Amino acid sequence: TQLLEQSPQFLSIQEGENLTVYCNSSSVFSSLQWYRQEPGEGPVLLVTVVTGGEVKKLKRLTFQFGDARKDSSLHITAAQPGDTGLYLCAAEMDSSYKLIFGSGTRLLVRP
Amino acid sequence: EAGVVQSPRYKIIEKKQPVAFWCNPISGHNTLYWYRQNLGQGPELLIRYENEEAVDDSQLPKDRFSAERLKGVDSTLKIQPAELGDSAVYLCASSLGAPTQYFGPGTRLTVL
Repeated sequence: TQLLEQSPQFLSIQEGENLTVYCNSSSVFSSLQWYRQEPGEGPVLLVTVVTGGEVKKLKRLTFQFGDARKDSSLHITAAQPGDTGLYLCAAEMDSSYKLIFGSGTRLLVRP
Repeated sequence: EAGVVQSPRYKIIEKKQPVAFWCNPISGHNTLYWYRQNLGQGPELLIRYENEEAVDDSQLPKDRFSAERLKGVDSTLKIQPAELGDSAVYLCASSLGAPTQYFGPGTRLTVL
């Protein structure tokens, strides 16, 4: 059973376009993290969201945590080739510091 | 500050052979994690250490996998004997009393 569903699985867009990727579950999260992973490297943390309805911005990236703390979205404005990578969401279910990862969204931004 | 260090970066072995991976966490981080990441998937936790104690090894296939973290710093993960299905990237991560985890670059294992 996949606790975290990420969509889409793959996204190929042109430089300058906007995009949104989603992370959904039927379970409530204590917190949710977004990571980006490049080929041959480990995941790198982008943001942690904790409060339902929370919105965080990191330059051109906007992260939102659902009001019920069951879902999250990542929006990228004016995507650049450097944004290419695997975007993973990871949920902390019970304040135990144990993370459950989604299967990721693989993003390709074409110049 | 140095990040999480893992070695080797790549390993190719034949099935039934043993293999070991090494991880040096960020200095001062008391929590260490080993994950396995299959192709096209997110990481899956194998084992979590708090200092030298394994506090969560429920996902570790104990018939062939073992891990240790002597002195609560470095850690090794061993597979003996390896099977074809063990081919994956093995990631080590560390943290300091918080859900934020810092990952190493991983070891890519190929079992032939």
